[in-house]
Amino acid sequence: AQSVAQPEDQVNVAEGNPLTVKCTYSVSGNPYLFWYVQYPNRGLQFLLKYITGDNLVKGSYGFEAEFNKSQTSFHLKKPSALVSDSALYFCAVRRWMDSSYKLIFGSGTRLLVRP
Amino acid sequence: DSGVTQTPKHLITATGQRVTLRCSPRSGDLSVYWYQQSLDQGLQFLIQYYNGEERAKGNILERFSAQQFPDLHSELNLSSLELGDSALYFCASSVSAGASYNEQFFGPGTRLTVL
Repeated sequence: AQSVAQPEDQVNVAEGNPLTVKCTYSVSGNPYLFWYVQYPNRGLQFLLKYITGDNLVKGSYGFEAEFNKSQTSFHLKKPSALVSDSALYFCAVRRWMDSSYKLIFGSGTRLLVRP
Repeated sequence: DSGVTQTPKHLITATGQRVTLRCSPRSGDLSVYWYQQSLDQGLQFLIQYYNGEERAKGNILERFSAQQFPDLHSELNLSSLELGDSALYFCASSVSAGASYNEQFFGPGTRLTVL
């Protein structure tokens, strides 16, 4: 079974508009969830994580994510998109596999912010 | 800059050959992770080392091997290369042993092209 799903290959928004990048997870127990961003020709950069506590997590560059246990979702949000936010976004979840914890990444969502 | 360095940036080689990718983790980080990113497979976890010892194994082929040295740098060896091995290979590092709740810091990657 897929541990983490990003249902949208690409999200298009206009600069200044709010953005949402969707992520759903499927792991047993309490999930540890992460968002990473990849700019062109760069490695992944950590944005934010949810381990426990407040369902609304704030991260780097004005991004935040909302953990929703009933919907098994961890959507990434930003109130006002910037052109410079255009990048590839990955959701990830910790999963116990083969006697160890591993970070399982989603397929990625390309965010395109148009001026 | 994440503090994780990878060499070389680009590598072009022929099928059947063997290559070595090198990674130096952030100062103070004991864990090193290797990932493969390709268009068809997405971001796949290969293997993790912690303080010189193998900690977790993912989708790593038998033709691939890795090690972490006493100075904590790591090398990923890819042998009997096939066209399908062409991908971006990332190294990441973190403080802790488990891929639990500490974020991973990614290097810029090595782009491998097998001709």
